[in-house]
Amino acid sequence: ETGVTQSPTHLIKTRGQQVTLRCSSQSGHNTVSWYQQALGQGPQFIFQYYREEENGRGNFPPRFSGLQFPNYSSELNVNALELDDSALYLCASSLGTSRSPLHFGNGTRLTVT
Amino acid sequence: KQEVTQIPAALSVPEGENLVLNCSFTDSAIYNLQWFRQDPGKGLTSLLLIQSSQREQTSGRLNASLDKSSGRSTLYIAASQPGDSATYLCAIHTNAGKSTFGDGTTLTVKP
Repeated sequence: ETGVTQSPTHLIKTRGQQVTLRCSSQSGHNTVSWYQQALGQGPQFIFQYYREEENGRGNFPPRFSGLQFPNYSSELNVNALELDDSALYLCASSLGTSRSPLHFGNGTRLTVT
Repeated sequence: KQEVTQIPAALSVPEGENLVLNCSFTDSAIYNLQWFRQDPGKGLTSLLLIQSSQREQTSGRLNASLDKSSGRSTLYIAASQPGDSATYLCAIHTNAGKSTFGDGTTLTVKP
C-alpha cells in the first residue's frame, strides 16, 4: 500500500509569486483534502476534492485553488503569495468524503519572503 | 460554526504514568472524530477514528472515547513512554468534507 506523498518538501518563494504544490493519494483513495498549518496551530481546512470536483471549501480566498486529476492526485495552487502564506501545507487522502479516516502526507513547508 | 478546543496546550509527565488528553467541540452534528499524532515538522499520523454512533475505540495502549451529547472526547494513554512525546490533535469530520482541528496538546514524557 502506497501512502500519501507530497512534493516538494520545502519551498521558498517571494511575495507576489505563484506556487504549485503536489500530492499523490494513497492507493485506492478517491478524495483529497488540503490543509494549511501555521506554527503552533492545528491544520486549517482549505478545500476537498472528490472525483475531480471541489466538495467543500474553508475560509480561504480565491487565490487558493486546486485540481484533482483522474488518477486522484491533486495540486494546490496559490497566487499572489503573501508573507502570511508561510506555513506547512498538508494533503490528506481518504475513501469517500466524510466517514473514512484521513491519511496525511508529510507536508510541504512553504516560506514566503 | 464548529469549534474544537484541546486542553491543556502542553503536558509533561514521567515515564510510566497513565494520562488523559481532552478534546471538546461545540456542534454535536458530526460524522466522526479522529485523533492524530504529529512529530515536529512532520505530517499527521492517524491514531484512532471513532464514528458518531460509537462510544470508544481502542488500539494497543490507546483508548479514545466520544460523548456527542456533551461535546467531548478523551484520549487515554496507558503506561506512557518517551516515544509517546509528540503533539496530539483531534479532528471533527462533518458533511461537505470539512474537518475542524483543535490546536493540539504537546506531550512530553520524561525518562
